[in-house]
Amino acid sequence: EAGVTQSPTHLIKTRGQQATLRCSPISGHTSVYWYQQALGLGLQFLLWYDEGEERNRGNFPPRFSGRQFPNYSSELNVNALELEDSALYLCASSLRTSKYEQFFGPGTRLTVT
Amino acid sequence: GQQVMQIPQYQHVQEGEDFTTYCNSSTTLSNIQWYKQRPGGHPVFLIQLVKSGEVKKQKRLTFQFGEAKKNSSLHITATQTTDVGTYFCADTGGFKTIFGAGTRLFVKA
Repeated sequence: EAGVTQSPTHLIKTRGQQATLRCSPISGHTSVYWYQQALGLGLQFLLWYDEGEERNRGNFPPRFSGRQFPNYSSELNVNALELEDSALYLCASSLRTSKYEQFFGPGTRLTVT
Repeated sequence: GQQVMQIPQYQHVQEGEDFTTYCNSSTTLSNIQWYKQRPGGHPVFLIQLVKSGEVKKQKRLTFQFGEAKKNSSLHITATQTTDVGTYFCADTGGFKTIFGAGTRLFVKA
């Protein structure tokens, strides 16, 4: 069974541009989570989608947004990129609700120059 | 808001020594999950604790949930070089997952 996949692996953008990151969950999982992991730091919760709806978001500005498609894949958009947005963006999926274990993808390394 | 704190931030051990990381919350934890992230890798689920006072073991790893459900610990007996990585705890109750900052374990052979 395929795991969580993310694309692209690496993304290089300049300040002010927009970035789009994509995630495909494990088959059967309806929940998708996005996290930001700055170099050497912990995971900061960004967004949680389930059944196509945004269930919750972390303490990030509105220029971080996303959506979940009918096939449960998800997209994270970051507008007006800032240097401090450089980080590893991890996507995870689970059965419905965060009380189930989360399976993480390999991440997208976003570099903003 | 709720904070999940982990101590220590780093731990260097000699192979064969024991290791413990502690997870403390400012509020009562709903469920606690533990994850391990190898250097350059992504977090991998280890275990979930749900009940007050719960203790679970996985080979050399022992996980505990505090009686008041405000803390948890992960203990590794006789560390091996394969144990290197960062260990995260996470509160998975409610509608968001709150991760601790993690404890990075270094094991010297």
